[in-house]
Amino acid sequence: QKEVEQNSGPLSVPEGAIASLNCTYSDRGSQSFFWYRQYSGKSPELIMSIYSNGDKEDGRFTAQLNKASQYVSLLIRDSQPSDSATYLCAVSTMNTGFQKLVFGTGTRLLVSP
Amino acid sequence: GAVVSQHPSRVICKSGTSVKIECRSLDFQATTMFWYRQFPKQSLMLMATSNEGSKATYEQGVEKDKFLINHASLTLSTLTVTSAHPEDSSFYICSARKTGRDGYTFGSGTRLTVV
Repeated sequence: QKEVEQNSGPLSVPEGAIASLNCTYSDRGSQSFFWYRQYSGKSPELIMSIYSNGDKEDGRFTAQLNKASQYVSLLIRDSQPSDSATYLCAVSTMNTGFQKLVFGTGTRLLVSP
Repeated sequence: GAVVSQHPSRVICKSGTSVKIECRSLDFQATTMFWYRQFPKQSLMLMATSNEGSKATYEQGVEKDKFLINHASLTLSTLTVTSAHPEDSSFYICSARKTGRDGYTFGSGTRLTVV
């Protein structure tokens, strides 16, 4: 079982719709969860971080965390063509005494005008 | 803020030569830096974790003698790809973690092409 799993997509949504991205993780001890956006050929940029169960909203983005289900999601409201990118779920885990960030394979989002 | 500078952004080298990539935290001290590799259409794979003043911790399957990591100061980590081969061609990205923060900031990445 992979440590962090995401559906690779592509997820296609029309402009103005809500895009829903999902992620599951295997390490129950994980405490920190992140969503990154990556455009082709560029490095990831942080969109949201979430640490406790529930929802966290920032502009058009809402991150949801359910530790019991080991599930993290990202909702993008009023999707824009510029949101088209690969969205990476990342989980901070402890391994051999060091904390490290483990990424999922990413979900490619396509927002059509 | 937390800014990480990575250099060079692109490098082309001949097979058998070595390439050094630098990662600098510009406005904070980074106790820990991470090196990732990303092949086309794949996710970021952690190669190693480096801590200032100590040896790097390599992930399983990563050759430590081939990918030399040095973290000599709190603001600089370097990755040297030794005796590079075409299969080492990839996008290498560093990340730094600011002390006391859980957030990870990424460098802009280095596109390595070995010919």
